[in-house]
Amino acid sequence: KAGVTQTPRYLIKTRGQQVTLSCSPISGHRSVSWYQQTPGQGLQFLFEYFSETQRNKGNFPGRFSGRQFSNSRSEMNVSTLELGDSALYLCASSSVPSDTQYFGPGTRLTVL
Amino acid sequence: AQSVTQPDIHITVSEGASLELRCNYSYGATPYLFWYVQSPGQGLQLLLKYFSGDTLVQGIKGFEAEFKRSQSSFNLRKPSVHWSDAAEYFCAVVYVGGGNKLTFGTGTQLKVEL
Repeated sequence: KAGVTQTPRYLIKTRGQQVTLSCSPISGHRSVSWYQQTPGQGLQFLFEYFSETQRNKGNFPGRFSGRQFSNSRSEMNVSTLELGDSALYLCASSSVPSDTQYFGPGTRLTVL
Repeated sequence: AQSVTQPDIHITVSEGASLELRCNYSYGATPYLFWYVQSPGQGLQLLLKYFSGDTLVQGIKGFEAEFKRSQSSFNLRKPSVHWSDAAEYFCAVVYVGGGNKLTFGTGTQLKVEL
């Protein structure tokens, strides 16, 4: 089975721009979660989607949003980028919520 | 709020030596516990997990972990470390009913001396 795939792998943006990151879960997995990893804050939960519905949201500003499509693929969007949004964004999928999460390779976002 | 503590930020061991990485989680509802490993520039790879049952769980790459409810701990062990084990290790917890919201520890960076 193919693993979780994330595109793009690397992204460079400037402050004020917006960005969309994509995640394709493992085939058959219906739950997708997003995490942000930075050297200062570590790994932090962004949000979780299951059956196209956001089930849980972390403590991030409204500039961070996401959605899930009927094929379980997910996207996250960050608007009005700030320097502090530079991070590795990780997507994880599981068959259902509370099951084991498997992570993708991440998207490295750099905001200049 | 749920939390995970990994008290050792860096650990250095010699190749062939045994390894134990510590993890403590905050007391709460029934926890599901995980260990993940991350190599530089990579995503997280699942090493092992504990949901219920036998408190000693076996994982990939020769790793094992023991769940001790009385100590709120889930320490990771390996009897003989290989140079390829050098990486960062994360302990994580999600509570039953908490959906997919994993709470991670700050990680332990493992260095292996040849």
